[in-house]
Amino acid sequence: NAGVTQTPKFRVLKTGQSMTLLCAQDMNHEYMYWYRQDPGMGLRLIHYSVGEGTTAKGEVPDGYNVSRLKKQNFLLGLESAAPSQTSVYFCASRARAGEGGELFFGEGSRLTVL
Amino acid sequence: GIQVEQSPPDLILQEGANSTLRCNFSDSVNNLQWFHQNPWGQLINLFYIPSGTKQNGRLSATTVATERYSLLYISSSQTTDSGVYFCAVVTSGTYKYIFGTGTRLKVLA
Repeated sequence: NAGVTQTPKFRVLKTGQSMTLLCAQDMNHEYMYWYRQDPGMGLRLIHYSVGEGTTAKGEVPDGYNVSRLKKQNFLLGLESAAPSQTSVYFCASRARAGEGGELFFGEGSRLTVL
Repeated sequence: GIQVEQSPPDLILQEGANSTLRCNFSDSVNNLQWFHQNPWGQLINLFYIPSGTKQNGRLSATTVATERYSLLYISSSQTTDSGVYFCAVVTSGTYKYIFGTGTRLKVLA
């Protein structure tokens, strides 16, 4: 029972470097989400997707790009990392409206930008 | 956008005590969920409760959607209940789950 899997779990980057976080879910969920959580804070929505090939902006999308080429995968990219992007990133998924609204989370990816 | 506020922001309890956490939201919602974030950072699903009342062991939750609030009850608290409790909602007509500000709970032995 994998559920929602995020890779990598930890990463250290230098300012200006790029990287991609991968989220994979095996529950055949239609909707997927990327959040960030800064120390002592709540979760803020970066981007989300309501189906394969679709993406949309959340509350804090600047500096990030996403892609949903396959239904089971949702990628979060940082093109030029900045220290302000040091955070823990969480991916989540849920079934489409009418099929259950419960959100399931991955275990998080801790990113440090020096 | 919708505002989701939780109270109290911080709570310290002695083991065995009961508590009530509140989540207020500023607009109509389709979905509402309660999570516990443990000290290791994992987000654990507690309740999916867009309306009505549910119970799971020592925990129960009630959502009154028409009055725009939800309550999480913790009875006979244990040290393992420590962590941060979040509610999250989906506004009617959107797909986005928006999180509340959280309640940080510490249970003392």
